[in-house]
Amino acid sequence: AQKITQTQPGMFVQEKEAVTLDCTYDTSDPSYGLFWYKQPSSGEMIFLIYQGSYDQQNATEGRYSLNFQKARKSANLVISASQLGDSAMYFCAMRGDFTGRRALTFGSGTRLQVQP
Amino acid sequence: GAGVSQTPSNKVTEKGKYVELRCDPISGHTALYWYRQSLGQGPEFLIYFQGTGAADDSGLPNDRFFAVRPEGSVSTLKIQRTERGDSAVYLCASSSKTSGPSYNEQFFGPGTRLTVL
Repeated sequence: AQKITQTQPGMFVQEKEAVTLDCTYDTSDPSYGLFWYKQPSSGEMIFLIYQGSYDQQNATEGRYSLNFQKARKSANLVISASQLGDSAMYFCAMRGDFTGRRALTFGSGTRLQVQP
Repeated sequence: GAGVSQTPSNKVTEKGKYVELRCDPISGHTALYWYRQSLGQGPEFLIYFQGTGAADDSGLPNDRFFAVRPEGSVSTLKIQRTERGDSAVYLCASSSKTSGPSYNEQFFGPGTRLTVL
């Protein structure tokens, strides 16, 4: 079984500052992938970043980076230089690489509000 | 190219009625997923298709829910005898890769908001 825990229901950040959104996970899969998605108020799920469990380096994608600490089972998302358009729900998700289920398991999300 | 599309975008129905929700995946994507997202929650898995067959339907909450993908492309999620608790946004996603430890992004559609009165 897989479980994702996001303990921050809501976060505030000032424009141009960095913010870290927390994510911890639990799985029995030896190999897995971790994902972050953004969901604006319009509702669409937008893929942000991916981290494979055997990747040696933390993933980065523009202003997004994933602070992956395998031993602690955490995969925090760091957004640098926040912009007003970053205000949205953010979901952490995971998928086992060799289990039959190929679907994503999502956390409950963190609502980020960027203040001017 | 075109992304994942879902129709209708909104569906209002009465308790006890039957509804069908349609998903059109990205062309060539063999894997298709249905999720349900209740208000204030993350999406929850319902069913996964690999080609025409349901590879995993363990997320369907009960036998009122059924999904098909007869030609390996478009999928329809069918809900019988709808209940107020079925009200949610139903999301569809597709992906091209299906196995192994590889990056396997799922592309999501805009969702269908189902309201059961």
